[in-house]
Amino acid sequence: EVQLVESGGGLVQPGGSLRLSCAASGFTFNTYTMSWVRQAPGKGLECISYISSSSSTVYYADSVKGRFTMSRDNAKHSLYLQVNSLRDDDTAVYYCARGPDFYYYMDVWGRGTTVTVSS
Amino acid sequence: EIVLTQSPGTLSLSTGERATLSCRASQSIGSSYLAWYQQKPGQAPRLLIYGASSRATGIPDRFSGSGSGTDFTLTISRLEPEDFAVYYCQQYGSSPITFGQGTRLDIK
Repeated sequence: EVQLVESGGGLVQPGGSLRLSCAASGFTFNTYTMSWVRQAPGKGLECISYISSSSSTVYYADSVKGRFTMSRDNAKHSLYLQVNSLRDDDTAVYYCARGPDFYYYMDVWGRGTTVTVSS
Repeated sequence: EIVLTQSPGTLSLSTGERATLSCRASQSIGSSYLAWYQQKPGQAPRLLIYGASSRATGIPDRFSGSGSGTDFTLTISRLEPEDFAVYYCQQYGSSPITFGQGTRLDIK
């Protein structure tokens, strides 16, 4: 079964950091582009970062550039998002998603991990 | 940045009716790189359509996508109870990837 499972979310103070992880199984991880998409409470979807299969292409939305770092470990079938300097407006559910390499739609999604930034 | 505007914001229909959802782009989307997703409360989005008109794996044929350039449509031919949800369009033809604000499909 194709599966993505996120972890690492939680409650953090403004300015704090977290490391989100996504464990992939059931498919050839090293042939897919992977993305992080977030959804603030009651709001729509925002693609904040993606990384190509070989890590040759990494994209960040302006809203997270310089604060978030995405990486992948193909040997461990894992995806990561280091989130630093967190702000209130980073509060959201963070989804890990898979897509065909260099085609940036998402055909498999995890269930998400919740990040809450609050003092 | 390509802005996607979905209409209507909310659509109220009954089971068995036909639903037509619109997604309009602020500029032409290259190669019809447009996708549609369905999201139910408390769940992750699910891919329905990619490439404007190709159904994703396992998606029933009552869902169809059409359009090109700046105007795209998702049609659900006969609504089933499980189709009532929020629908998002997404363009992936140019950076940054953007989503529409969503159309909520409610039971009338």
